[in-house]
Amino acid sequence: ETGVTQTPRHLVMGMTNKKSLKCEQHLGHNAMYWYKQSAKKPLELMFVYSLEERVENNSVPSRFSPECPNSSHLFLHLHTLQPEDSALYLCASSQVHELNQPQHFGDGTRLSIL
Amino acid sequence: GENVEQHPSTLSVQEGDSAVIKCTYSDSASNYFPWYKQELGKGPQLIIDIRSNVGEKKDQRIAVTLNKTAKHFSLHITETQPEDSAVYFCAASYMDTGRRALTFGSGTRLQVQP
Repeated sequence: ETGVTQTPRHLVMGMTNKKSLKCEQHLGHNAMYWYKQSAKKPLELMFVYSLEERVENNSVPSRFSPECPNSSHLFLHLHTLQPEDSALYLCASSQVHELNQPQHFGDGTRLSIL
Repeated sequence: GENVEQHPSTLSVQEGDSAVIKCTYSDSASNYFPWYKQELGKGPQLIIDIRSNVGEKKDQRIAVTLNKTAKHFSLHITETQPEDSAVYFCAASYMDTGRRALTFGSGTRLQVQP
C-alpha cells in the first residue's frame, strides 16, 4: 500500500504529443518531489515543491513542466519529449522539505517515448 | 556536490544467510541516511533510516550502521527470506547553496535463493 498514488502507471507517447503525469498524496505532507529513474543510474531529483511553491529545479529541460495546485496534488506536464526521456518517473512526498525528513514514494509512471 | 557509492551492485545469498550492503558518501555535512527497498513494478519503500547522532539502528531483521569518521554506512539483513529479494538503495542528505536533497546510490540487486 502506498499513501502516494501516481497515474497513469504506464504511458507510451510520440515525441510530438503532450501528456501529463499525476501524483496525489494522502499523507497530509507539505513537500512533494518528482524524480526520474533510468536503468543503471541513480535516482535523479527533478523538482521540489514546498507548500505549493517550487523550491528546486535541477536543470531540467523545459519540455518538462511541473504544476502543484495544492499540497496534495502534483503534475508533470510533458511536451515534445525525446527518446532519452523514457524512464520511470517517481513522485514522492515528505512532511516538510527538510534534509532529515523521510520521503515516501509512489509506484511511478513508466514512460516510453516512441 | 555529494557523491554516494554503493556496493555491491548485485548480491546473491542463500535463504537464512545474512546480507550486507555498503555505501560511502563524500559530504561530511550529510546527517541523514535512509535505505529504500524497491520491488519489481513498485516505487522505493523506506525500510530504515539513521541520523548522524547515532551509530546504529535496528528494526527486527534489519540494521543500519553509520561510521561518520570514515563516511560510510551499511545495511545488514539477517535471516534473509525470499521476499527480501529486491533492489536496495542507500541515500545521503545533501545541502549546497540553498539546495536540499537526497543523493542516491546506484542500487544493489539482492537475490535470496530458497
